[in-house]
Amino acid sequence: SAVISQKPSRDICQRGTSLTIQCQVDSQVTMMFWYRQQPGQSLTLIATANQGSEATYESGFVIDKFPISRPNLTFSTLTVSNMSPEDSSIYLCSVGQPANTEAFFGQGTRLTVV
Amino acid sequence: AQSVSQHNHHVILSEAASLELGCNYSYGGTVNLFWYVQYPGQHLQLLLKYFSGDPLVKGIKGFEAEFIKSKFSFNLRKPSVQWSDTAEYFCAVYGGSQGNLIFGKGTKLSVKP
Repeated sequence: SAVISQKPSRDICQRGTSLTIQCQVDSQVTMMFWYRQQPGQSLTLIATANQGSEATYESGFVIDKFPISRPNLTFSTLTVSNMSPEDSSIYLCSVGQPANTEAFFGQGTRLTVV
Repeated sequence: AQSVSQHNHHVILSEAASLELGCNYSYGGTVNLFWYVQYPGQHLQLLLKYFSGDPLVKGIKGFEAEFIKSKFSFNLRKPSVQWSDTAEYFCAVYGGSQGNLIFGKGTKLSVKP
C-alpha cells in the first residue's frame, strides 16, 4: 500500500494568482497521477508525472497552465497558474500499483478561486 | 476510449434498506474494475476490485459487486445500509492512455437514520 500526503487540503485564491499543490508518498513510485474533480463531475486525469522526464498531459490540459514537477520518486507538485473561477475544483494526487492492481489517493486539495 | 457510466447521481435511503448502484463501462475485453468510496472530508478509499475469476466480488464493510460481462456492468450492492455508509461512491476502470483509472461521475449516497 501507499500513504499519500497532499497539501494544502483547501485554499481560497484570488483570480490571476497561482497555487502549488504538493504530494508526498511514503514509498518510491514510478508514476504519479494528477486528477481534477470539478463540481458535480467525475475525476479527470490532468497529467502523469514520471521522475526524470516531462509530464505527459491529457487532451485539454497544457503545461503552461498546470506545470508539474517530479524531482524524485516520492514527491510531486502541481501548480495551477493564472487561476480563474473555472479552476475551482478538487485536485487529487494518485499513485498506482504494478499491474494496475490498485490506485491510492491523497486527500485532495479543494481550491476555490474568487 | 473506455468510459464509465454511473446511473444514479444521488440516492437517499433509510437505514436497513438495500442498496444497488449501477455502473457500466463502454467496451469489453480484459477489464480491471473498481469501486471507490469517499466519506465526507476523507480521501478516496478502495471498496473492492475485480480482475478475473468469480464475478461476485466481496469488499469491505459488507459491500459486494457483480461483474456481468454480457451487460458491461459492475453494480455495487449492500443488503442493509447504515448511516455511516453516507458517502460518494465512484466506479472506475483501468483504461486510460497513461495507465490511469477512468472514473464514473460518482453517486452520492445519503442514509437517513
